[in-house]
Amino acid sequence: GAVVSQHPSWVICKSGTSVKIECRSLDFQATTMFWYRQFPKQSLMLMATSNEGSKATYEQGVEKDKFLINHASLTLSTLTVTSAHPEDSSFYICSAHVRNTDTQYFGPGTRLTVL
Amino acid sequence: QKEVEQNSGPLSVPEGAIASLNCTYSDRGSQSFFWYRQYSGKSPELIMSIYSNGDKEDGRFTAQLNKASQYVSLLIRDSQPSDSATYLCAVNKDSSASKIIFGSGTRLSIRP
Repeated sequence: GAVVSQHPSWVICKSGTSVKIECRSLDFQATTMFWYRQFPKQSLMLMATSNEGSKATYEQGVEKDKFLINHASLTLSTLTVTSAHPEDSSFYICSAHVRNTDTQYFGPGTRLTVL
Repeated sequence: QKEVEQNSGPLSVPEGAIASLNCTYSDRGSQSFFWYRQYSGKSPELIMSIYSNGDKEDGRFTAQLNKASQYVSLLIRDSQPSDSATYLCAVNKDSSASKIIFGSGTRLSIRP
């Protein structure tokens, strides 16, 4: 299957700082990438849909000014958690949509801990 | 009603037996159906996709789709302890769109 990478795999930061997470499709072009958040023992929650070259579409209840998404190329999308707080601590996972299919492949995830 | 519903479990199955995981969906026009496996602390990985009514087999896994009843299931034969994970059912409502709706997952435990 297609390979999606995420960087970093984990990050610990102080409250009030910003954290950037990268999602890359390594062997295919992804016109659409998705960002999910998962709290412990809970299901995957879609945060936003990221389309290359256009603004991201955010799900209801997700603050677009707090979770900045940039999809500048067909292989890279970034999620920046601005002014992070302890309640933002979670497992953030991206997925990439394979063009001309309806299949998504997930990155390995980034575990964010805000102190 | 949730768009994709799964029993949260845990479902406990003895090693070597068949594990049966079920999922129902609400949108009758849904086109594509997926099963993902997620180990604790890891991201989901795609196991199978199915698009037409009937069974689709891949190794020890069989996906079953019944569009009339709006359910999709996953059978795991000869269950192994390594199959213990959360299984996510996912549905794509529109073949031209890429947004997939996930169920909340069923936790499967294979007991030795």
